[in-house]
Order: sequence, then C-alpha cells, then structure tokens
Amino acid sequence: ELKVEQNPLFLSMQEGKNYTIYCNYSTTSDRLYWYRQDPGKSLESLFVLLSNGAVKQEGRLMASLDTKARLSTLHITAAVHDLSATYFCAVVIAGGTSYGKLTFGQGTILTVHP
Amino acid sequence: EAGVTQFPSHSVIEKGQTVTLRCDPISGHDNLYWYRRVMGKEIKFLLHFVKESKQDESGMPNNRFLAERTGGTYSTLKVQPAELEDSGVYFCASSLTTGTGGLEAFFGQGTRLTVV
Repeated sequence: ELKVEQNPLFLSMQEGKNYTIYCNYSTTSDRLYWYRQDPGKSLESLFVLLSNGAVKQEGRLMASLDTKARLSTLHITAAVHDLSATYFCAVVIAGGTSYGKLTFGQGTILTVHP
Repeated sequence: EAGVTQFPSHSVIEKGQTVTLRCDPISGHDNLYWYRRVMGKEIKFLLHFVKESKQDESGMPNNRFLAERTGGTYSTLKVQPAELEDSGVYFCASSLTTGTGGLEAFFGQGTRLTVV
C-alpha cells in the first residue's frame, strides 16, 4: 500500500524567512503533485513533477523531486502572509490506469506571521 | 470555463438520515473522482468513474455509500443511513482521459458533512 508522509504537519514562519516542506512516499510513483488549499476552498494545483530531478518554480515556491529517494520538497523563499494555507503533496502509483487517483499526504498547515 | 462544482457546500444531518452529495465535473472530463477527508486525517480516495462506469471503487468504506454518474455527466454520492463517523469533507475531482492533457485532476471546493 502506498503511503505518503509530509513533515512538518504544522509550520509557523516569520515573514521573510525560508523553509522547506518534505514529502516522502513508499513505492514507485508516476508523478507527484503539490496542492494548496485555503480554508473552505478547493485544492489548487501548484506543481506536477514527472521525472527524477524535476524542479519547478512559481514565485516564492519551488518544488523538486528525487524519485530514487522517493522524496519531494516544497521550498518557500522569503515567506509572505499570502502563503498561509494548507499544502498537500499527492502521489499517483506507477502503472496506474488513471491520472487522478491520488494518495495524499496529511497536509502541512503553514502560517506566516509578520 | 466553469470548474468542478459541488452541492451543497455544507450539510448537517442526524444520524440515520440520508444525504446526497452532488458533483458537476468540468465539461468534457471523462474521469470523475470522489475523495473524503475525515477530521485530522489525510484525504482518501473513494472511487473513480470513467464516464458512467465505475473504474475503481476500492476506497468506498461500506455499503451505506452509493455513487452514481448518470449519463457520464454529474455524479451523486448518497450516504444511507448516515453514521457519526461519516462526518468530514467530501471532495470531487475531474480530469481528462489519460494521454496528453490528462496530467492533473481539478478539485471542487468540497462538501462539509456533519452527522449529529
């Protein structure tokens, strides 16, 4: 059974600081996603990572994937209050017939303080 | 283009009652998924439709849950009778068929179900 673990689960950051959220998964995966969720809203797709060594950046967020280590990271640079949200990583099992059957991590609640 | 929409956004029902959740996927998306997040736990897969057919219902917790997708368009998820442990947020997602463009699933805002 595929297991996905995120850490930390809670992250309180000061504005302007850098931090990294980690996502470990237990079996070979086709692809890995990072989602953001604001309270009461839908999950917003941030990144799709397809191959070993993939790195994607959008604004203050950068995601990377190491398929050999079964590890993805979401790095936050110079955090701002608008980044406060819950961040999920999710993995698709390799060889699956559907691109939408995701196994999620527990989510990381990020709070950015002034 | 409209996204994935779910109705209702909140529902509070008594134990033993029936509730029906609805999901309207993005037009043209053959794949439709239901997920659930019980408080304090991770988001878990419930089932997957391809058009009107159930592709995978391995995540359905028990036979009190019935999902349908009439004509391959919208989907309903009925819980009958509801139990306290069914409380949580139910998410629907849709995606294109596999192949180009089928890389990601788009999620609705979820239905928060509270069973009292």
